[in-house]
Amino acid sequence: QPVLTQSSSASASLGSSVKLTCTLSSGHSSYIIAWHQQQPGKAPRYLMKLEGSGSYNKGSGVPDRFSGSSSGADRYLTISNLQSEDEADYYCETWDSNTRVFGGGTKLTVL
Amino acid sequence: QVQLVESGGGVVQPGRSLRLSCAASGFTFSSYGMHWVRQAPGKGLEWVAVIWYDGSNKYYADSVKGRFTISRDNSKNTLYLQMNSLRAEDTAVYYCAREGDCGGDCYPIDYWGQGTLVTVSS
Repeated sequence: QPVLTQSSSASASLGSSVKLTCTLSSGHSSYIIAWHQQQPGKAPRYLMKLEGSGSYNKGSGVPDRFSGSSSGADRYLTISNLQSEDEADYYCETWDSNTRVFGGGTKLTVL
Repeated sequence: QVQLVESGGGVVQPGRSLRLSCAASGFTFSSYGMHWVRQAPGKGLEWVAVIWYDGSNKYYADSVKGRFTISRDNSKNTLYLQMNSLRAEDTAVYYCAREGDCGGDCYPIDYWGQGTLVTVSS
């Protein structure tokens, strides 16, 4: 079963860019993942699915400021032109053998 | 638009039971796998269970296996989670979620409900 590793926190300034990382465990570097955003006090929201090739498809209504990329076992979520509403927890997700796995989440602070 | 609305949460004593419901609308419910995912206070997301589109297969996290049962009624567009022998560590917001299909081996959760809080306490 894959394990997803995320940094616990990140911070960046309003209007700048930030790149969040989700790392797949050994033997699972080809897995597709999904990114989800959870704003304070709200339910999670699906942002995108991201393949090992770096190809990504965003969910409905996700702003152009959000993009994805990959390198080996690492899956990245880049947020450009940071806005205050981007301050949230970000989780990666993957699936295997009828189970789901979530990363521990990264808390993004917009300064 | 896709909507998932959970209900049935509340305060329950350890060892007791509770049943959660999730009313789905805005899509063909009978064509999608559905999940329950929970989040303990101040913690991350934890997958709980999945049921296939037709109810033919169900899978559970080890932490709930043998105590929780996922089911669905496609005629009512409703997903359920029967929770028995509840423990303090089951205290969480429970989300129902739809499993998308983006082709190949690609099945992300693509819609979430707003969640319902379950508190297990004496």
